[in-house]
Amino acid sequence: QLQLQESGPGLVKLSETLSLTCTVSGGSITTSNYYWGWIRQAPGKGLEWIGYIYHSGSTNYNPSLKSRVTISVDTSKNQFSLKLNSVTAADTAVHYCALYDVDFDAFTIWGQGRMVTVSS
Amino acid sequence: IQLTQSPSFLSASVGGRVTMTCRASQDVTSYLAWYQQKPGRAPNLLIYTASTLQSGVPSRFSGSGSGTEFTLTISSLQPDDFATYYCQQVNNYPFTFGPGTKVDIK
Repeated sequence: QLQLQESGPGLVKLSETLSLTCTVSGGSITTSNYYWGWIRQAPGKGLEWIGYIYHSGSTNYNPSLKSRVTISVDTSKNQFSLKLNSVTAADTAVHYCALYDVDFDAFTIWGQGRMVTVSS
Repeated sequence: IQLTQSPSFLSASVGGRVTMTCRASQDVTSYLAWYQQKPGRAPNLLIYTASTLQSGVPSRFSGSGSGTEFTLTISSLQPDDFATYYCQQVNNYPFTFGPGTKVDIK
């Protein structure tokens, strides 16, 4: 069964870059119709879609974050990554990686989430 | 596209019927999903394309609607159902989520 696991620093300094990686196990990141996404949730708040990537490298980002976000994929490692630069306190959140399955038009599998705190 | 959910909070008894609504600021056809989230856990997909039950989700959950108005119904609330429920539209970029409906024990 396909599983996702986020990894990366839990603490990032103000104005620096947040970097997280999601490792896919139990399946291939090159599976057709699978997009690999990031969603975040600030403490006590709702969910915000950051963006997603196809194994070809094609991306789609939330315009609210587009100028600061890069999502990339490494098919050799079955991983995809998130980079968010120039972070502020507003970027403190649990970050989830998730599989968007086109056959379902929904995020069908989620990682457990990684809390990232922006500190001064 | 903005999604609004109502109510934002509801208190219900075990065995009771619960209905919550998600409204979109513009037509999202049937490209709407519902997720359940428990504290400290990742969201879990319940319903996709407005009314299709995800595999493994109990049949007491059902979704309906199209266009701009959608509902999620729990026919007989169970202790495991106390959680926050989010709708999400995937008809247009950027994908957006509603603010959630929290279901608590009465």
